[in-house]
Amino acid sequence: QKEVEQNSGPLSVPEGAIASLNCTYSDRGSQSFFWYRQYSGKSPELIMFIYSNGDKEDGRFTAQLNKASQYVSLLIRDSQPSDSATYLCAVNLLGNEKLTFGTGTRLTIIP
Amino acid sequence: DTGVSQNPRHKITKRGQNVTFRCDPISEHNRLYWYRQTLGQGPEFLTYFQNEAQLEKSRLLSDRFSAERPKGSFSTLEIQRTEQGDSAMYLCASSSREGLTDTQYFGPGTRLTVL
Repeated sequence: QKEVEQNSGPLSVPEGAIASLNCTYSDRGSQSFFWYRQYSGKSPELIMFIYSNGDKEDGRFTAQLNKASQYVSLLIRDSQPSDSATYLCAVNLLGNEKLTFGTGTRLTIIP
Repeated sequence: DTGVSQNPRHKITKRGQNVTFRCDPISEHNRLYWYRQTLGQGPEFLTYFQNEAQLEKSRLLSDRFSAERPKGSFSTLEIQRTEQGDSAMYLCASSSREGLTDTQYFGPGTRLTVL
């Protein structure tokens, strides 16, 4: 089992709709959870992080964490064509600063 | 805040040559990380520094790879005797503490092609 799993997609969402991206992780010692956006040929760009169960909102983005189910998600409201990118989920363990990434989900927003 | 910078942005080399990459972190960040990313994969951790101390190295970091951060500021990653399998994007990140979380910000990367 991979440490961090994401559906590779592609995920196609109409412009203006809600995009939902999912990530599961295997290590219950995982402490913090990050979402990065990566455009083709570019480096990852931090969107947001979460470490407490529940929801965390930042503009059009909402991260949701459920540690009991070992599941973290990212919702993008009012999707825009500029949101088309690969979204990477990353986790780190308590006391260990390195990030372990999933393979990413490719999101396409359809105008 | 000028962000993390990396040089060169692209490097093409022949198999067997040595290459060195440089990373300049965000100035107030004391932690610096190196990752490697191949097509269709997420970044994979290679090593990290806190100030000038190298605190962890991945088993991915063979003895052909060496990283330094001599004065706790910029860092270099050297690959000796490059192999075609070393072709990848090499990413550097630096981090700041935000509450309970160490938040990493990536540079633009160095794309290495080994012919």
